Amino acid sequence: SQTIHQWPATLVQPVGSPLSLECTVEGTSNPNLYWYRQAAGRGLQLLFYSVGIGQISSEVPQNLSASRPQDRQFILSSKKLLLSDSGFYLCAWSLYPGLGEKLFFGSGTQLSVL
Amino acid sequence: QKEVEQNSGPLSVPEGAIASLNCTYSDRGSQSFFWYRQYSGKSPELIMFIYSNGDKEDGRFTAQLNKASQYVSLLIRDSQPSDSATYLCAVLGGTASKLTFGTGTRLQVTL
Repeated sequence: SQTIHQWPATLVQPVGSPLSLECTVEGTSNPNLYWYRQAAGRGLQLLFYSVGIGQISSEVPQNLSASRPQDRQFILSSKKLLLSDSGFYLCAWSLYPGLGEKLFFGSGTQLSVL
Repeated sequence: QKEVEQNSGPLSVPEGAIASLNCTYSDRGSQSFFWYRQYSGKSPELIMFIYSNGDKEDGRFTAQLNKASQYVSLLIRDSQPSDSATYLCAVLGGTASKLTFGTGTRLQVTL
């Protein structure tokens, strides 16, 4: 069966510091991979998605970036964090993109930027 | 107008009752509809999906879709305290190639 691992679970970072969140998927090949952010009182916001190695699509302009160095690895990064980057970050995967696409989420990272 | 709207709640129902959660969407071309359950501090979990008008039942859960009125509902029968969570509605299709989520409805099932 497929599993998704995301770490760390919680992170407290000062403003201006760098960020690296990692996500890996096991038990499947060539998944679609996603990074979402959930801010308090707001819905899930799609940040990036990837349909393959090195293929990244950005949904929202911001100071974050994403990379997919391996088929089942997805990394979210920032060179300098802002206060507004605080939130619950979720990695997700799916197969069979299209109208039947179902997302499966990792356990999430609660990021607090102080 | 928000693309996917949900009442934030909390919706409070007594144990054993039917909980009714509603969601409206603005893109008439939307074709796929999903319900995710999210416990506090945890990640969302897919519990139901529906593509066609009408009802779809899975255990205690029933999803209802009315494309003409642009709403989708989730009914939870025999509500249990373990159903207390935030329920996220998500929509796909039309002008959106990726899932669009609502902000969720918080459900509280009381003893």
